[in-house]
Amino acid sequence: DAGVIQSPRHEVTEMGQEVTLRCKPISGHNSLFWYRQTMMRGLELLIYFNNNVPIDDSGMPEDRFSAKMPNASFSTLKIQPSEPRDSAVYFCASTPGWLANNEQFFGPGTRLTVL
Amino acid sequence: AQSVSQHNHHVILSEAASLELGCNYSYGGTVNLFWYVQYPGQHLQLLLKYFSGDPLVKGIKGFEAEFIKSKFSFNLRKPSVQWSDTAEYFCAVRSSGTYKYIFGTGTRLKVLA
Repeated sequence: DAGVIQSPRHEVTEMGQEVTLRCKPISGHNSLFWYRQTMMRGLELLIYFNNNVPIDDSGMPEDRFSAKMPNASFSTLKIQPSEPRDSAVYFCASTPGWLANNEQFFGPGTRLTVL
Repeated sequence: AQSVSQHNHHVILSEAASLELGCNYSYGGTVNLFWYVQYPGQHLQLLLKYFSGDPLVKGIKGFEAEFIKSKFSFNLRKPSVQWSDTAEYFCAVRSSGTYKYIFGTGTRLKVLA
């Protein structure tokens, strides 16, 4: 299995631009999580999906952030418009199911820099 | 609200020293507990996990952790660290029957050769 796949690995953009981060969970996993990691705040949960449905988006910082999961194998996190304070590493993680004894499998992350 | 505290933010050790990283959580119900490691420039990887049974859990690379329910703690230990253990370590807690993982703020470990 290829593991959780994220793209791009690095993104540099200018303030005000739209940014779209992509994630492909491990095949068969039905829970997907988006995290943001910064030096100041550590690892923050932004949103999680179960069976493609957003369950908890209370961690999404503001309306500029949105996430979708149109099918079981793809999710996006969009920031529009982006701001310098959005600079962080964004991780996607997936798990096979909440009833099983399982852990989260993390992707390699997308390092976002907003100038 | 649930929370996870990692009291040591930065730890510096010499090779062969013993390691113990603290993790405390606040939640009264049944929990699942995890330690993840993030090597420089890499993604988080699972070191070990506790769901039930023996409270002393052994993980990869010689790490172990002990769940002490009365203290709400899940401290990570390694008897003798190596330079390659230089990384950031995250404790995480999940309430049984839920999706949500709560991560601590992490402990940066630097091992001097």
